[in-house]
Amino acid sequence: QLQLQESGPGLVKPSETLSLTCAVRGGSISSNSYYWVWVRQSPGKGLEWIGSINYGGTTYYHPSFMSRVALSVDTSKNQFSLKVDSLTAADTAVYHCARLRTESFGNYFDSWGQGTLVTVSS
Amino acid sequence: EIVLTQSPGTLSLSPGERATLSCRASQTISASSLAWYQQKPGQAPRLLIYGASSRATGIPDRFSDSGSGTDFTLTISRLEPEDFAVYYCQHYGTFGQGTKLEIK
Repeated sequence: QLQLQESGPGLVKPSETLSLTCAVRGGSISSNSYYWVWVRQSPGKGLEWIGSINYGGTTYYHPSFMSRVALSVDTSKNQFSLKVDSLTAADTAVYHCARLRTESFGNYFDSWGQGTLVTVSS
Repeated sequence: EIVLTQSPGTLSLSPGERATLSCRASQTISASSLAWYQQKPGQAPRLLIYGASSRATGIPDRFSDSGSGTDFTLTISRLEPEDFAVYYCQHYGTFGQGTKLEIK
């Protein structure tokens, strides 16, 4: 059974950079049928897709995050990562990593990590 | 960007009753491109239905979806105690704001 586990700091200062990693266990990150994504969840904005990456490094970003977000993948470690620059309090949220299945008819998130709470505060 | 609007915000029902949750898209979308998720407190969202009525692994058949164009519905035929949670619809990179299903 696929498991995804987020790791990273729980507290980050405003204007700093957030770095999170998602370890993929029980399956290979190197699959043509999937993208690996970050989704955040905050009380004010609900679920927000941040960006997606496949094992080859092809990325897609939500326009709202494009200027300050970067995703990367490390197939040798079976993990992928998120960096978010210029943090503000509005970036306080639970950050989930997930697997995105892409099909001809659409896509859907079929496996999720538990999520990690990131608080932006001085 | 397509916006998904879910209603009602909160639905209060009793176990054994039928639940009908709505998801309205701001533009016409394909029914097969819509997915539904369940989320319980402190847990990650869980995929329920995708690709026009395909249930994810382990999802009981009391969960079903329907709809076309801009109006879509998730139906839970007979509520079990474990069904009380928040439900989200999703189309590509967009999620609805959720419907909270609570015990009456």
